[in-house]
Formats: sequence, structure tokens, C-alpha cells
Amino acid sequence: ETGVTQTPRHLVMGMTNKKSLKCEQHLGHNAMYWYKQSAKKPLELMFVYNFKEQTENNSVPSRFSPECPNSSHLFLHLHTLQPEDSALYLCASSQERPGSSGNTIYFGEGSWLTVV
Amino acid sequence: SQKIEQNSEALNIQEGKTATLTCNYTNYSPAYLQWYRQDPGRGPVFLLLIRENEKEKRKERLKVTFDTTLKQSLFHITASQPADSATYLCALHPGYSSASKIIFGSGTRLSIRP
Repeated sequence: ETGVTQTPRHLVMGMTNKKSLKCEQHLGHNAMYWYKQSAKKPLELMFVYNFKEQTENNSVPSRFSPECPNSSHLFLHLHTLQPEDSALYLCASSQERPGSSGNTIYFGEGSWLTVV
Repeated sequence: SQKIEQNSEALNIQEGKTATLTCNYTNYSPAYLQWYRQDPGRGPVFLLLIRENEKEKRKERLKVTFDTTLKQSLFHITASQPADSATYLCALHPGYSSASKIIFGSGTRLSIRP
């Protein structure tokens, strides 16, 4: 148990569907992230939220839409996805302290997404 | 551009031996380096962190070295066990900034055979 909970763990959706991934962290952290992990590729950072404000969007297509209603919850809304979007989507959190180093990222178990 | 390479995609060794995984980087000066373990279908789990001014860090059967001259980190598991089988990721951080700046390697899949 890492303190970061993701639901659903598995999702199969058609290219015309709309679905959402949910993430909740119980660690009291102030930053939350969405990462994409495809086979044999490094983790790709998608979005970053600090104190529920989006601070980074790494050129992610608009068919992925994040939402952060508070510092403990993060959503990833999905619509009109493509088969190449099939991957493991990981939510993560960390405690950001300005001027400090050694921040550790705590990951959830991931949501396996298959687009058909 | 910044590049991280983990020596091999997969490593297969006999139980009881020491497993050594390599992480090399170029065009980068990380302030610290982390190692994570990832089991199939699960999220990565933090194992160890080593700072640029540290040569070596240990935690139980794990040992990490960090050579900023060679731009390399080595991750050792001594007395390896089948339960150590997993994918191990190295991650580099420029330091004193958001954890969002951490860059991950592709990982090395380690298999320990009984």
C-alpha cells in the first residue's frame, strides 16, 4: 500500500467513448502527477499539479483532460482516444519543499487502459 | 539532449549471486539519483536515493554507487533471491526543483532463477 489509490485498475474503451481515471492520495502531499508507461519505454510525464494548480502539461493531446479538484484527488478524463493510447497510466504524488532536494515520488498501482 | 541508459533490457542470474544493474547518463548533471522497483502490472516503488556528493549508499542487501565522473550509477543486490525478480528503474533529478523534473530510464528486467 503506497498511499496512492487508482481506479479503475483495468479499463477497456472504444475510440468514441468517454471515461475517467481517478486517483486519490492519502499522504498529505501537495503535488500530484499523471504518467504514461508504454511497453519498453521510459515513464512519460503528462501533467503536474501543485496545490491543485496545473504547473506542467507536457504537450499532451487534448483528448486527455486532467482535473484536480483538491490536493488529494486527481482525475484524467479520456475521450476519443486512439489505439496507440493503450498503456499503463500511473498517478503519483510527492511533497514539494522549495529549495530542498531528494523529493521522492509515490506511485499508485496504475490503470491499465486498452483502446479498441 | 538528456539521455539515460540502463545497461540491458533484461538480466538473468542464479539465486545467491550478486545482481549488478547499470545506469548511464549523458548531457546531464544530476544532483541526485534514485532507484525504483516495479513489479508486473504495478506502480514503481522507491528503493534508494543517492546524492552527487555521496559515493555509496546501502540498505540491507541493496547497494548503490554514484560516479559523477563516469556519469554512471551501479545498483547491486547481494545474495539475490527469486523474490528480487522485477524491473528496476533509475531516475535522475537536477535537484532543488520540482520532482516533476525527474527523468526515468526504461528499466532493466531482472530475473533470479532458483
